[in-house]
Amino acid sequence: EADIYQTPRYLVIGTGKKITLECSQTMGHDKMYWYQQDPGMELHLIHYSYGVNSTEKGDLSSESTVSRIRTEHFPLTLESARPSHTSQYLCASSARGGSYGYTFGSGTRLTVV
Amino acid sequence: AQKVTQAQTEISVVEKEDVTLDCVYETRDTTYYLFWYKQPPSGELVFLIRRNSFDEQNEISGRYSWNFQKSTSSFNFTITASQVVDSAVYFCALSEDQGGSEKLVFGKGMKLTVNP
Repeated sequence: EADIYQTPRYLVIGTGKKITLECSQTMGHDKMYWYQQDPGMELHLIHYSYGVNSTEKGDLSSESTVSRIRTEHFPLTLESARPSHTSQYLCASSARGGSYGYTFGSGTRLTVV
Repeated sequence: AQKVTQAQTEISVVEKEDVTLDCVYETRDTTYYLFWYKQPPSGELVFLIRRNSFDEQNEISGRYSWNFQKSTSSFNFTITASQVVDSAVYFCALSEDQGGSEKLVFGKGMKLTVNP
């Protein structure tokens, strides 16, 4: 049973549309992360948060933005989707940071046409 | 800087073969943690194992075993008698102990295909 939920599971959307990918966790974890996974499999950290009102950019530059108004919720927004944004987006959370590993959601497969 | 190298990008085996997934890491810290995750076709990353830098004891869990060798900075993963359900992408990851602010560094992943 998943403790971290991502919706939608799949999304096909037209260029220029604004979209928000949802991520929620029920474990009370302070730390949350967004990864972008390209078709070549590699995982790229694009955003992370260590708590409410805390957000940081990750190692890969991304045109997306995130917010952390509640501990359990960490949505990712693309203001104007482009075909280059087509990817899988994975959300993760952790109680104590990387040393204890992350719990991952099922991911959102985004296709921008 | 931390770095994780999975030199193999893709392996294909026939069911019941043994297969070893290699992972080599770089870190300057003496306290660190190593992980393996599995990503089946459904997409989510599933945690398999966590090992700290002070515990070099090898571990076996059913058909899975892990060989941690600090001398060669390697943390290899072996699947014995592979099954079709083992087909997935496998990621090795490293985290240094920085008091809770550390992040996981992932290797590029290795796609395993087990054919019937």
